[in-house]
Amino acid sequence: NAGVTQTPKFQVLKTGQSMTLQCAQDMNHEYMSWYRQDPGMGLRLIHYSVGAGITDQGEVPNGYNVSRSTTEDFPLRLLSAAPSQTSVYFCASSYSGTNNEQFFGPGTRLTVL
Amino acid sequence: AQSVAQPEDQVNVAEGNPLTVKCTYSVSGNPYLFWYVQYPNRGLQFLLKYITGDNLVKGSYGFEAEFNKSQTSFHLKKPSALVSDSALYFCAAQTGANNLFFGTGTRLTVIP
Repeated sequence: NAGVTQTPKFQVLKTGQSMTLQCAQDMNHEYMSWYRQDPGMGLRLIHYSVGAGITDQGEVPNGYNVSRSTTEDFPLRLLSAAPSQTSVYFCASSYSGTNNEQFFGPGTRLTVL
Repeated sequence: AQSVAQPEDQVNVAEGNPLTVKCTYSVSGNPYLFWYVQYPNRGLQFLLKYITGDNLVKGSYGFEAEFNKSQTSFHLKKPSALVSDSALYFCAAQTGANNLFFGTGTRLTVIP
């Protein structure tokens, strides 16, 4: 049982480039989400999904897209990277969207130059 | 605005002493409350949660948390701190699938 996996672990982009952060879970969880962690700001929800084919915006969705074609995978796309998107990104999953603890991936550290 | 506050950026405690990490929340309704721990270069790990019922919740690694509705607080406690408890601790409050609010984190250092 691998839990929640994320790739890559580190990434450096130039302003304007696009990329996809990968996230997968093998626990058959319905709920998946993406957060960014910035110093002094805790974690902020970017996008979330309550099941395959269903996604919605969180607190800070601008500049990011998501899709959920399978239960297992929930990729996060940066459309045109900006320095303000320099952050650590965490993917998480849980059995449902409420009152269940979330399982977090190890994170992706992204730097946009 | 809805939010979770962790008033202390840093908490230092001697090994063997009791520890408390404070959390207060300002969210609508009756939120679910969580504590997570983050070790260096790792994702967050679940410690415990309050859904309903007994105000004292017991969790992993000997941690417990006390829910106080009148003070809207959910403080994390442990009777005897270990050096290995040194980490970053996050409190979170949830009222829905897209309404999960994290505090800014408290760095706990346990001094040998």
